[in-house]
Amino acid sequence: DIQMTQSPSSLSASVGDRVTITCRAGQSISIFLHWYQQKPGKAPRLLIYAASLLQSGVPSRFSGSGSGTDFTLTISSLQPEDFATYYCQQTYTLPPWTFGQGTKVE
Amino acid sequence: EVQLVESGGGFVQPGGSLRLSCVASGFTFSTYEMNWVRQAPGKGLEWISYISDNGNSIHYADSVKGRFTISRDNAKNTLYLQMRSLRVDDTALYYCARDINKIPRAFEYWGPGTLVAVSS
Repeated sequence: DIQMTQSPSSLSASVGDRVTITCRAGQSISIFLHWYQQKPGKAPRLLIYAASLLQSGVPSRFSGSGSGTDFTLTISSLQPEDFATYYCQQTYTLPPWTFGQGTKVE
Repeated sequence: EVQLVESGGGFVQPGGSLRLSCVASGFTFSTYEMNWVRQAPGKGLEWISYISDNGNSIHYADSVKGRFTISRDNAKNTLYLQMRSLRVDDTALYYCARDINKIPRAFEYWGPGTLVAVSS
């Protein structure tokens, strides 16, 4: 199984801050990396797919980058509605398609 | 509007069974691959099963292989997860998730989830 490691596990930020979350894969996964946002009591929401493609309806302050083993999710200017937990996920080749452990932005 | 609505969760004793359903609407269900993902209380996301659009290709996580069975009824726009030999560590919120139908795959739409609690 491909291990996905996110850092940090949590971070404290303020409105207007630039926030960066990293995700490292245990082996090269090309661009088969996606980012989800989850708010308490809600289902996850797809933000970024294929490492850098913004899902329809997602604000442009969210961006993703990386390929191979190292990936980054950036929020350019944190908004009040962005306080949530963020997960990366790999879907490289056959299952299991693993998630990172999550990063809580508070 | 795409909608996924799970049901069938509940309280069950260890060793028991449950069948979860996920009713889809707002899209042509028969042309999309589907998944089940679960989340234990206070924990992260765990992918557990996948089924292709026609049901011919199925995959499971090792944690549920041999105990859970995924299936679908395209005529009823419904995805299922039959769960047997349930264990305490199967306690979780179970989500169905629709594939994005692009390469690479991602989980584009999610239902609100149904809670399964396994306890004696």
